[in-house]
Amino acid sequence: QKEVEQDPGPLSVPEGAIVSLNCTYSNSAFQYFMWYRQYSRKGPELLMYTYSSGNKEDGRFTAQVDKSSKYISLFIRDSQPSDSATYLCATSQNTGNQFYFGTGTSLTVIP
Amino acid sequence: SQTIHQWPATLVQPVGSPLSLECTVEGTSNPNLYWYRQAAGRGLQLLFYSVGIGQISSEVPQNLSASRPQDRQFILSSKKLLLSDSGFYLCAWSVGGPRLFGQGTRLTVV
Repeated sequence: QKEVEQDPGPLSVPEGAIVSLNCTYSNSAFQYFMWYRQYSRKGPELLMYTYSSGNKEDGRFTAQVDKSSKYISLFIRDSQPSDSATYLCATSQNTGNQFYFGTGTSLTVIP
Repeated sequence: SQTIHQWPATLVQPVGSPLSLECTVEGTSNPNLYWYRQAAGRGLQLLFYSVGIGQISSEVPQNLSASRPQDRQFILSSKKLLLSDSGFYLCAWSVGGPRLFGQGTRLTVV
C-alpha cells in the first residue's frame, strides 16, 4: 500500500464551480499535510501547509484534514481558468522526515 | 525572502555525455537540500538529500550523484547519461518546514 493515494483524474469543471481534490494516506503518525499546485513544465508551488486535523483557509482555497479517516482534501471555490494545473498532496510524520507525495490530480477549469 | 534558482530549464544531451545540474538557494542559511525526479503518473521520486556541506544521502542507487560544495549550492551530476535518465528534475529546499521547489530542469537524453 502506498503511503499516499491520489486520484490522477483528469478533472474538468466549468468556471465558477467548486472543486474538491482528495487524497488518502496510510500512516496514522503523519501530522503534516501539504497541497502543491504545479503548472505544466514548472516546479510544484506550495499552496497550503497544515498541521494535524482541521481546516485551513487561504482566499479561495480550503485545506481539510480528517485524521480519523486518513483523508485530506483541497477545496477551490469560484474556480478560475488560471487554476488549471496538477495538484499534488503530500504528508510527513515530522518536518525532518521523509515527505510522501501523491501522484497528482490534473484539473482543467473551462471558461 | 527566500528564493531557489535551478538551471538550465531544458537540456538535451546525447547518451554517454556528462551531466551537471545546479541549484542555489538565497535568503536562508543551512537549508536541507533535495533532488527529485518526476515522471508522468509516477509522482516525485527523491534521489538525494543533504543536511549540510559535503553531506549527501542517496535514496535510489543509480547513474547519478550529488554534491554540496557550498551551504546553499546543490549539484546533480552524471559521468555518462543513459536514455533512462530522461525526466523532469527538481531541486527543493526546506528549513524545518515543507519542501519548496525550484522550477525544474527537463532533461532529454537522445
